[in-house]
Amino acid sequence: GQNIDQPTEMTATEGAIVQINCTYQTSGFNGLFWYQQHAGEAPTFLSYNVLDGLEEKGRFSSFLSRSKGYSYLLLKELQMKDSASYLCAVRDANTDKLIFGTGTRLQVFP
Amino acid sequence: DAMVIQNPRYQVTQFGKPVTLSCSQTLNHNVMYWYQQKSSQAPKLLFHYYDKDFNNEADTPDNFQSRRPNTSFCFLDIRSPGLGDAAMYLCATSRDPGGGAGAKNIQYFGAGTRLSVL
Repeated sequence: GQNIDQPTEMTATEGAIVQINCTYQTSGFNGLFWYQQHAGEAPTFLSYNVLDGLEEKGRFSSFLSRSKGYSYLLLKELQMKDSASYLCAVRDANTDKLIFGTGTRLQVFP
Repeated sequence: DAMVIQNPRYQVTQFGKPVTLSCSQTLNHNVMYWYQQKSSQAPKLLFHYYDKDFNNEADTPDNFQSRRPNTSFCFLDIRSPGLGDAAMYLCATSRDPGGGAGAKNIQYFGAGTRLSVL
């Protein structure tokens, strides 16, 4: 079966660091994506991991462990504008389709 | 510059009245997708086109149809909208569907059309 799990909601303080976890079970794996989605808007691509390890891009980093079926998105120096939902999506190697999690709604407080 | 453009942003229709949502892209991507996303849920793939090849998801209701007259445009037709079809409809594009040879083939999304059914 296919399953993507991520926490429903998280809160953090401006300037802090937050880690959003994602675990997955798919019949075949060919890459993991993180998207940011502000309320009522389209998902925006943040990061892509296909090999184990950490990918860093400015304030955002994403980590992947294929053997554990696990990824996290790390957001540093949080800003108010980072308040959004963060979607984890896995590309199924057999179908090439993206399987999305339900998203983690992050609220950043002053 | 907008790359994936959806019109309209908001659409209100009546129960059973056909409605068409449109999507255009300036990326010259081969693949165009339509997703349905309900509040606090994951986007659900309805169908996609790889060039002119139409690929329907097994659980997409017959009420939903799609047309892709050319590379740039794709339409979602809802023949008889029901109350349960009220949702955000997202269009996305990618160069190719898969991740062959390590290709990212990122899906780029439009701003979405929020459909209300009265």
